[in-house]
Amino acid sequence: QSVLTQPPSASGTPGQRVSISCSGSSSNIGSNYIYWYQHLPGTAPKLLIFRNNQRPSGVPDRFSGSKSGTSASLAISGLRSEDEADYYCVAWDDSLRGVVFGGGTKLTVL
Amino acid sequence: QVQLVESGGGVVQPGRSLRLSCAASGFILSSYAVHWVRQAPGKGLEWVAVISFDGRSKYYADSVQGRFTISRDNSKDALYLQMNSLRTEDTAIYHCVRGELRLPFDYWGQGTPVTVSS
Repeated sequence: QSVLTQPPSASGTPGQRVSISCSGSSSNIGSNYIYWYQHLPGTAPKLLIFRNNQRPSGVPDRFSGSKSGTSASLAISGLRSEDEADYYCVAWDDSLRGVVFGGGTKLTVL
Repeated sequence: QVQLVESGGGVVQPGRSLRLSCAASGFILSSYAVHWVRQAPGKGLEWVAVISFDGRSKYYADSVQGRFTISRDNSKDALYLQMNSLRTEDTAIYHCVRGELRLPFDYWGQGTPVTVSS
């Protein structure tokens, strides 16, 4: 059971907007930054969002992040077939004194 | 370019030990924290441990606390993960990951597979 809770799956059609939630607690999301990674099997995970809502250079503005209290979400607009991947939320946990991952959300583009 | 190359994985019996290594190149290792992150077959990513840039701070996941030890030798641009008392649930691909102590990760190695089986 992961410390951060994500839905195991999400789906959408090309062009649609999808949102992936990430629920935590006061010791992780509530008091630290949330980060989002995109992972394609066989490749290194890619940083999509840092510090809750910042995009690294090169990440399309179709990807956006938000945080409120002990929850966060990743939104992908204008869905494309190449967005099909696993998405993870990640944060530091002050109580556990370590990094915690969400269980991952498998995004399917129908 | 930044590279992290893991080695030392293999097949080992439960209760035995294994030492993973991570060779860094293309950047000044002593300026960065380094994490180990693993992925078991069919499972999600799981954080294992982190060591600060100078080796003074180390943190571990509860699942490996007391069994695994992370260390580094900046003079050799190398990181290590000593894994003792291995369990079947430690079976995974282990990745060495550069980053900051409390996130984010930025560069990942390709990983080395560890299989714990009798």
